[in-house]
Amino acid sequence: KQEVTQIPAALSVPEGENLVLNCSFTDSAIYNLQWFRQDPGKGLTSLLLIQSSQREQTSGRLNASLDKSSGRSTLYIAASQPGDSATYLCASHSNDYKLSFGAGTTVTVRA
Amino acid sequence: GAGVSQSPSNKVTEKGKDVELRCDPISGHTALYWYRQSLGQGLEFLIYFQGNSAPDKSGLPSDRFSAERTGGSVSTLTIQRTQQEDSAVYLCASSLSAGMITDTQYFGPGTRLTVL
Repeated sequence: KQEVTQIPAALSVPEGENLVLNCSFTDSAIYNLQWFRQDPGKGLTSLLLIQSSQREQTSGRLNASLDKSSGRSTLYIAASQPGDSATYLCASHSNDYKLSFGAGTTVTVRA
Repeated sequence: GAGVSQSPSNKVTEKGKDVELRCDPISGHTALYWYRQSLGQGLEFLIYFQGNSAPDKSGLPSDRFSAERTGGSVSTLTIQRTQQEDSAVYLCASSLSAGMITDTQYFGPGTRLTVL
């Protein structure tokens, strides 16, 4: 069974600082890995999806990397803003359609 | 267009009562998923529907949990004889294609269930 771990559980940074969120998974035989954002009282919003054949994906200030051999993915958020405050979840697709989620990292960006 | 919707947004019930949670997927999406998010835990897969095929119920935690999907669209998750450990946020997601691992799952806002 795939186990997904996110460290740290919570992170507080001043506005403008770069954010680095870590995700590790036990089964390297993944098809893809997704990063989601969750705001209080709202559902999950997909941020980036990295296919197993890719090493990274970029969208605006967000960059996600994937290293299957070491079972790790990292989400970088450049020049953080208070609006980036949310919980960030990573999830992997293994050999079926089910997503295996980490517990998330709760980010607070201080103005 | 409209996203995935869920109702109610919040539900408080007494232990032992039955509850029904509803999910309206994005129009045209053939796949529908239910997940549970308990406090401090990651999202846990519960059940998966794909078109008219038999659902994958492998994630349901007990026989008190059941779900159906009528007409390939709206889905209802039913929890019978609720227990306090059932308290969680129940999230529904839909995706465009059947079993396409690369398809993005679109999530609803969730139903927060509190069992007293």
